[in-house]
Amino acid sequence: QVQLVQSGAEVKKPGASVKVSCKASGYIFTNYYIHWVRQAPGQGLEWLGIMVPDDGRTASAQKFQGRLTMTTDTSTSTVYMELNSLTSEDTATYYCARVEYSYAYYWGQGTLVTVSS
Amino acid sequence: EIVLTQSPATLSLSPGERATLSCRASQSVSSYLGWYQQKPGQAPRLLIYDASSRAAGIPARFRGSGSGTNFTLTISNLEPEDFAVYYCQQRSTRPLTFGGGTKVEIK
Repeated sequence: QVQLVQSGAEVKKPGASVKVSCKASGYIFTNYYIHWVRQAPGQGLEWLGIMVPDDGRTASAQKFQGRLTMTTDTSTSTVYMELNSLTSEDTATYYCARVEYSYAYYWGQGTLVTVSS
Repeated sequence: EIVLTQSPATLSLSPGERATLSCRASQSVSSYLGWYQQKPGQAPRLLIYDASSRAAGIPARFRGSGSGTNFTLTISNLEPEDFAVYYCQQRSTRPLTFGGGTKVEIK
């Protein structure tokens, strides 16, 4: 079965960076795009970007450009999301999600990133 | 970017009743709109894709309709497990955007 398993919770100081991993299993890793979506505590969903595991192409929301890096390691079927220059507004649960029907269908369990001094 | 406005923010209903949720786009998204359900502490679950197609395993009581800028998610005969927050999302234009959500709560 399709599974996306994310790395554990992180606590970071303002100005730091965080790197979240998302390990895929149960399907051919390079055949499906991966979204990154976040959700601040008690708030709605926000799309960060999408990546193509096959060739590493990415596209991100303009508000994150310059701060967001998405990478892939096809040898371990893992995608990574790194966000730099963290502020308290980046405190959120970060999700990876595999595309099906052109939407985010299979979701990871989420990674809580807390930014606090 | 395309703004999605969901209404109402909260819907208070009893099991067995019908829920009607609205999602309005700031410009046309054609039929490229999906609906998600999210329960506390869980990741969202895709219910409807491309306005009216049910994802695998989604019960027939969930029905999506609409096109262009106006969309509706109808949940007929609410079951206890349907009380949750619902989000719409457009994939017509990047950045992909989500609505603010509608909470369906037990009256």
